[in-house]
Amino acid sequence: DAGVIQSPRHEVTEMGQEVTLRCKPISGHDYLFWYRQTMMRGLELLIYFNNNVPIDDSGMPEDRFSAKMPNASFSTLKIQPSEPRDSAVYFCASTLQGGNTEAFFGQGTRLTVV
Amino acid sequence: LAKTTQPISMDSYEGQEVNITCSHNNIATNDYITWYQQFPSQGPRFIIQGYKTKVTNEVASLFIPADRKSSTLSLPRVSLSDTAVYYCLVGMNRDDKIIFGKGTRLHILP
Repeated sequence: DAGVIQSPRHEVTEMGQEVTLRCKPISGHDYLFWYRQTMMRGLELLIYFNNNVPIDDSGMPEDRFSAKMPNASFSTLKIQPSEPRDSAVYFCASTLQGGNTEAFFGQGTRLTVV
Repeated sequence: LAKTTQPISMDSYEGQEVNITCSHNNIATNDYITWYQQFPSQGPRFIIQGYKTKVTNEVASLFIPADRKSSTLSLPRVSLSDTAVYYCLVGMNRDDKIIFGKGTRLHILP
């Protein structure tokens, strides 16, 4: 398996634009996690899914953020409208059977909102 | 998820053994202890997991005392490439959430 695949690797957008980040988890993994990392706030859990169902989205900062998992092999994180303070590295991770099993992270998407 | 405390940063030299200790006083009976490593510009990577006593793999060893209120990640003979942030996580089995603290920033000097 190629591991967790995220796209794009880098995204530069203007404030107010919609941004969509994509993630393909490892095949067979039942859990998918979205994180945001900044120097100031560290690595924050935004939302996680189990079997394509959102379980906990308490980390999603605002209504401008939304995440979907239409099937077991694809998830998106959308920011609309984007703001400069959304600039960060966004990671996606998947696990086979929940939080206590090894998490595999993608390479991340570096988002810059100008 | 159990609260964990670990040093913010550590420095060491190449070839030395490095020990990073994590405190988790409110660890529950069923909780496992897991360590992740994060290199700059990469996502975290699972290093090791244990429940009690000692666990060893090709990367590190994890020492857990009998009371399990702390754990020590041991990296043998570090090199410059071991410069990274190391995270201690406890209790993800409770609600499946994988939440990272601030970790320990390890800097290896030549």
